[in-house]
Amino acid sequence: DTAVSQTPKYLVTQMGNDKSIKCEQNLGHDTMYWYKQDSKKFLKIMFSYNNKELIINETVPNRFSPKSPDKAHLNLHINSLELGDSAVYFCASSQRVYSGTNYEQYFGPGTRLTVT
Amino acid sequence: AQTVTQSQPEMSVQEAETVTLSCTYDTSESDYYLFWYKQPPSRQMILVIRQEAYKQQNATENRFSVNFQKAAKSFSLKISDSQLGDAAMYFCASSNRDDKIIFGKGTRLHILP
Repeated sequence: DTAVSQTPKYLVTQMGNDKSIKCEQNLGHDTMYWYKQDSKKFLKIMFSYNNKELIINETVPNRFSPKSPDKAHLNLHINSLELGDSAVYFCASSQRVYSGTNYEQYFGPGTRLTVT
Repeated sequence: AQTVTQSQPEMSVQEAETVTLSCTYDTSESDYYLFWYKQPPSRQMILVIRQEAYKQQNATENRFSVNFQKAAKSFSLKISDSQLGDAAMYFCASSNRDDKIIFGKGTRLHILP
């Protein structure tokens, strides 16, 4: 069974379109994340949700809107796609220990988004 | 601010040999975690090894071990008996209590047969 899954794995779309990427984890974790990996392989956190509440919101254009319907799902919706949005987007999850200290994150397989 | 620096963009090692990947970090926190993640061509991010800052003993996982030098803020990864399947991008990362994981820029490791 896949622990963290993302759909779709590949997404090719035109500038100006709106698209969504879905993420689901079956690990029972309470915290989920979205990362962007650019063409130079640099990974940067975008958002984090803990028990459906937004806890990390890095400097990301407001065209990007995460939505967490429950703690097992964190979707990423992108409006008005631009060429610079082309990247690999990774979802991840972790279990926040009671003390608040973060535990290791488990990553999904990534979604390669290509904007033409 | 939390930073992670990997100064080696690429490295090569002969199969069965040992290689060490370097990583330095900076944080103002006293309680933090350090990680090495591996990203093979399949793109999957895989946790290789994890170190709690409060533990003095270096973490080991089979052929993978770390040299954690807290005072120097250094966290290198040693891979022993390198195998072809070890070829990948390796990311050093650190995490404070704020749930962020900050990644270095990665080191691409080539295994020479």
